[in-house]
Amino acid sequence: AQSVSQHNHHVILSEAASLELGCNYSYGGTVNLFWYVQYPGQHLQLLLKYFSGDPLVKGIKGFEAEFIKSKFSFNLRKPSVQWSDTAEYFCAVKVWGGKLIFGQGTELSVKP
Amino acid sequence: DAGVIQSPRHEVTEMGQEVTLRCKPISGHDYLFWYRQTMMRGLELLIYFNNNVPIDDSGMPEDRFSAKMPNASFSTLKIQPSEPRDSAVYFCASSRGQALTKNTEAFFGQGTRLTVV
Repeated sequence: AQSVSQHNHHVILSEAASLELGCNYSYGGTVNLFWYVQYPGQHLQLLLKYFSGDPLVKGIKGFEAEFIKSKFSFNLRKPSVQWSDTAEYFCAVKVWGGKLIFGQGTELSVKP
Repeated sequence: DAGVIQSPRHEVTEMGQEVTLRCKPISGHDYLFWYRQTMMRGLELLIYFNNNVPIDDSGMPEDRFSAKMPNASFSTLKIQPSEPRDSAVYFCASSRGQALTKNTEAFFGQGTRLTVV
């Protein structure tokens, strides 16, 4: 069965630190990949997406992610985090047929 | 478009009662997803529909859970009877297209926070 694994449950950083959140998926076919962000008390919002082409994709608020097909990975990065980035981050995979599966989520706390 | 609309936003009910959660997807979207979010399990896919037809309900935890999509603009998730362990935030999401192409990302509703006491 398809699955998505996020490496860290909770990450704590100071402002201006660099961020990398890991995401791996298990599925042998073509996929679309997403990162969503959920601010406290809110719904999930799309951060960035990968469909095809350049494996390095840029999203909103300075986030980027790199798709490494050989590693089945889609890690999220940001060079310098801000206090306002405090949120929960979800990696998701869409497979052929439309099924959309999410990882467990990573809670990011940024200390001012 | 107003986005995905869920109702109610909050629901408190007593154990054993029937609970119905509602969702209106974005117009033109042909996929609809129901997810449950808890601290312990994260975001679980319960069921999803394509063109109003249930495609995969393997995530529905028990027979107490049922979901319907009578038309393209409305879906319900029903729990009968409800139990305290059903307490969670339930999200509905919709998207367009099964092909792995651009602009087929899912859009989420605000969620329904269900508390069963």
